[in-house]
Amino acid sequence: GNSVTQMEGPVTLSEEAFLTINCTYTATGYPSLFWYVQYPGEGLQLLLKATKADDKGSNKGFEATYRKETTSFHLEKGSVQVSDSAVYFCALSFYGNNRLAFGKGNQVVVIP
Amino acid sequence: DAGVIQSPRHEVTEMGQEVTLRCKPISGHNSLFWYRQTMMRGLELLIYFNNNVPIDDSGMPEDRFSAKMPNASFSTLKIQPSEPRDSAVYFCASSTPKVKETQYFGPGTRLLVL
Repeated sequence: GNSVTQMEGPVTLSEEAFLTINCTYTATGYPSLFWYVQYPGEGLQLLLKATKADDKGSNKGFEATYRKETTSFHLEKGSVQVSDSAVYFCALSFYGNNRLAFGKGNQVVVIP
Repeated sequence: DAGVIQSPRHEVTEMGQEVTLRCKPISGHNSLFWYRQTMMRGLELLIYFNNNVPIDDSGMPEDRFSAKMPNASFSTLKIQPSEPRDSAVYFCASSTPKVKETQYFGPGTRLLVL
């Protein structure tokens, strides 16, 4: 079945550090890929997405590139801020199919 | 535009009681999703509706859970009787074909069953 795997465990880093969160997927066909972010006490909100191979999604300084050859969609940000502290979810969907398959999420804590 | 609205935001109840969670999707959205989030199991899809019709309820844990969508602007998730293991944050999300495959989440209902 379609599934998403995120690296285990929370991520703690200092302000202005480089952030990478790994995401790999298993799917038949060519899904669309997403990163959602959940700030404390809130629902999930879309951060960025990519709909085909080699597409790069970007928003708020975050980027992720759809890599078909490695079935990956890693999230990166060059210089994190305290306000980036949140839980980040990788997800996939298929065109015409409303369902999203979410990874387990990664808690990111940015220390001043 | 108003986002997805959920009520109540917090609910504390005793085991055995009936719990009803409510959701108002974004106007014009034709798909609605109910999720449950716990530390142990992460984010789980319980059920989703398309044009008010339940499409997939395979994620509903057991018969104690039921969901309805009587019209395009309202849905309920009911737990009867509730149990302590139902304690979780329940999210409602909606989507529209105009923004393909993107779901818009509500703020969630934090449920505690004592």
